[in-house]
Amino acid sequence: DTGVSQNPRHKITKRGQNVTFRCDPISEHNRLYWYRQTLGQGPEFLTYFQNEAQLEKSRLLSDRFSAERPKGSFSTLEIQRTEQGDSAMYLCASSSTSGITDTQYFGPGTRLTVL
Amino acid sequence: QKEVEQNSGPLSVPEGAIASLNCTYSDRGSQSFFWYRQYSGKSPELIMFIYSNGDKEDGRFTAQLNKASQYVSLLIRDSQPSDSATYLCAVRGTDKLIFGTGTRLQVFP
Repeated sequence: DTGVSQNPRHKITKRGQNVTFRCDPISEHNRLYWYRQTLGQGPEFLTYFQNEAQLEKSRLLSDRFSAERPKGSFSTLEIQRTEQGDSAMYLCASSSTSGITDTQYFGPGTRLTVL
Repeated sequence: QKEVEQNSGPLSVPEGAIASLNCTYSDRGSQSFFWYRQYSGKSPELIMFIYSNGDKEDGRFTAQLNKASQYVSLLIRDSQPSDSATYLCAVRGTDKLIFGTGTRLQVFP
């Protein structure tokens, strides 16, 4: 069982640029989640998919953020017109609804720095 | 009131002692509770989950849940310096996890 993988691990960009992150979940996990974490805070939910369907988006998620999971496998998270406030660790997690508690396992994260 | 509350610490304990980490939550209907460990600069790593009142043990770790008091805790026995990390309490909402801010644990030799 390979774990959740995320690419890139680090991204430095200039304000106003667009960035895209990729997440590959644990194979056969049907749910995929995106969270954002800033220093000193716990991860904050952004959105999640069950298979290819996006089931929930956080009200805090700006319309500059978009996520896709076109074939129900990997997912991408795009941020358009980045702002300095977008600097954070972006975490992806996956889970399987066949288990008792739908336990989420996290990838290594993508650290975004917006200059 | 935050949905999941933890003392940010740091909690300092000597090597070999029991570390006790606490968490309270606001949604009385919550069913599943998780403890994650996070080393500095790394992503959260699952330690254990609990969904029934009482204690659940896994090696040196024991999770305790009291739904009436809306309280969940994590005990770490025989603490080691390698346990020094931030411990995140998470409560499952509809499907997403709601995290506390974490408690920083320092285990000194």
